[in-house]
Amino acid sequence: RKEVEQDPGPFNVPEGATVAFNCTYSNSASQSFFWYRQDCRKEPKLLMSVYSSGNEDGRFTAQLNRASQYISLLIRDSKLSDSATYLCVVNLGGGSYIPTFGRGTSLIVHP
Amino acid sequence: DARVTQTPRDKVTEMGQEVTMRCQPILGHNTVFWYRQTMMQGLELLAYFRNRAPLDDSGMPKDRFSAEMPDATLATLKIQPSEPRDSAVYFCASGFGNYEQFFGPGTRLTVL
Repeated sequence: RKEVEQDPGPFNVPEGATVAFNCTYSNSASQSFFWYRQDCRKEPKLLMSVYSSGNEDGRFTAQLNRASQYISLLIRDSKLSDSATYLCVVNLGGGSYIPTFGRGTSLIVHP
Repeated sequence: DARVTQTPRDKVTEMGQEVTMRCQPILGHNTVFWYRQTMMQGLELLAYFRNRAPLDDSGMPKDRFSAEMPDATLATLKIQPSEPRDSAVYFCASGFGNYEQFFGPGTRLTVL
């Protein structure tokens, strides 16, 4: 089993739709979690951190489920500009801090 | 607006040549990462440093790759000799502690 797994997609949705991605992780000792966005031929950019209590930023909501070992990203009212690849990152804590990226989920928002 | 910078942005070289990529992390960040991204493998962690000390380079082919941080403002990734299978985009990222990372624009390497 891979340490961090994501459905590669693509998720093809119309403008205005709500779409959700999940990311599962295998190490129960993981302590910090993030979502990044990567546009074609660009570097990954931080979208949001994922806190135990959940995190919301405008149309984006991230949640953590420690019991089932996954994080989620919900995008409401999708825009054409949301088309990108969404990468989840899981970090072990303490002295063995090693960030592990998922392979990413591709989102295509069409008119 | 603080950013991670990387040079060169593009590099085309022939098999067997030495390649050196450079990264300037964001001032004040104490962790530096090197990643390689290909379509087949996604984003792979090659090495990371904390306070300039190498903490993990298990993802890096030791026979030809080396990573160093000669000072707090410079990280280098060297490939010697380069091979066609090293063709990829190499990203440097910096951060602080266990928090988010900020990526540079990457070096697109093509080895012929």
